[in-house]
Amino acid sequence: AQTVTQSQPEMSVQEAETVTLSCTYDTSESDYYLFWYKQPPSRQMILVIRQEAYKQQNATENRFSVNFQKAAKSFSLKISDSQLGDAAMYFCAYVLWGQNFVFGPGTRLSVLP
Amino acid sequence: GAVVSQHPSRVICKSGTSVKIECRSLDFQATTMFWYRQFPKQSLMLMATSNEGSKATYEQGVEKDKFLINHASLTLSTLTVTSAHPEDSSFYICSALPGLAGVETQYFGPGTRLLVL
Repeated sequence: AQTVTQSQPEMSVQEAETVTLSCTYDTSESDYYLFWYKQPPSRQMILVIRQEAYKQQNATENRFSVNFQKAAKSFSLKISDSQLGDAAMYFCAYVLWGQNFVFGPGTRLSVLP
Repeated sequence: GAVVSQHPSRVICKSGTSVKIECRSLDFQATTMFWYRQFPKQSLMLMATSNEGSKATYEQGVEKDKFLINHASLTLSTLTVTSAHPEDSSFYICSALPGLAGVETQYFGPGTRLLVL
């Protein structure tokens, strides 16, 4: 079975600084997708960034970027120029085609003014 | 972008009653919908996979007679919590997978907060 691990239950970052959230996963598959979702207090799941496993190039979305290390099964999220609105729970997720997401336990990010 | 709605957004009911939660894909057809449950400060846990026109597939430990899922159309899936008890109080989230898109285009509903008294 696939598992996703986030080793940092809580993180904090100073506003305008950079923070990296860790994620590792376990799978025997070669083709899959990885995601980072943000869940603010409203609890709506918001897609932050996604990565196709067959792509070597790391995905980027504005201030958000990932460090995808397929051999190490690592998928960390870097948030640059942190903003107060970035404060939320962040979930790393893994999915195979047509199947459900497997979510990590989450990391609660606090942004300090 | 694709929108998924859930109704109601929150519901309070008495123990022993049944509650129905609707999940709708508003601007696309969803061949598959997923139902998740999220306890406070925890991650999302898959309860069941709902495919249009067929029986839902439940995860181990999820009582199918208690959590009835009906995916009657390509835009609607319902989750009915039967004979609800306080331990069923939780946050329920659905996601919808468009029929013609790749796996990455699953869209999440805003969730339903259930409180059973």
